[in-house]
Amino acid sequence: ETGVTQTPRHLVMGMTNKKSLKCEQHLGHNAMYWYKQSAKKPLELMFVYNFKEQTENNSVPSRFSPECPNSSHLFLHLHTLQPEDSALYLCASSLAGGRNEQFFGPGTRLTVL
Amino acid sequence: AQRVTQPEKLLSVFKGAPVELKCNYSYSGSPELFWYVQYSRQRLQLLLRHISRESIKGFTADLNKGETSFHLKKPFAQEEDSAMYYCALRLSDGNQFYFGTGTSLTVIP
Repeated sequence: ETGVTQTPRHLVMGMTNKKSLKCEQHLGHNAMYWYKQSAKKPLELMFVYNFKEQTENNSVPSRFSPECPNSSHLFLHLHTLQPEDSALYLCASSLAGGRNEQFFGPGTRLTVL
Repeated sequence: AQRVTQPEKLLSVFKGAPVELKCNYSYSGSPELFWYVQYSRQRLQLLLRHISRESIKGFTADLNKGETSFHLKKPFAQEEDSAMYYCALRLSDGNQFYFGTGTSLTVIP
């Protein structure tokens, strides 16, 4: 699959579990983003990486831990989540610089029991 | 505080009728505004951005700094325009993006 891919597409986990979300882009981009989309709330930017360096962290709880090993891959490590963390998590990528279009992945639907 | 406001969660228009999706923003700097669209079972994708001043699929949007608005307009709606539309704001001082809550547009045949 070309573009931005995310795995898994669906994830159900307990509050004591540790899991990771993966994002991969094949577009030659050098900026990657994690967003959270909850019901009835705006899409919320969580983290931004430019050239593998984290440049934004929007007061996200430490139970969410991002990792960007290279400019093509982005992970979101999850541990001791809460039920209110259940949401759609979207990954996006772009060329660095805000004037460049963001390309979104299909998202991972996360349910925390 | 909400940076981007889309007052209409649901909007229905008849095919061939004009459509306007409202977006207001709150930012005192130089904003960059975008409209993203999500068709059924597809991923979020860029529709247009204000700096391009382009018309995409018949849609246009003009940035009105006085009214802090970036409304999306199309003179004649088509059935294939039915989708979820999100207005987004990028701050000029970094990589911060803010999205509105979205407007679900339904074009009635």
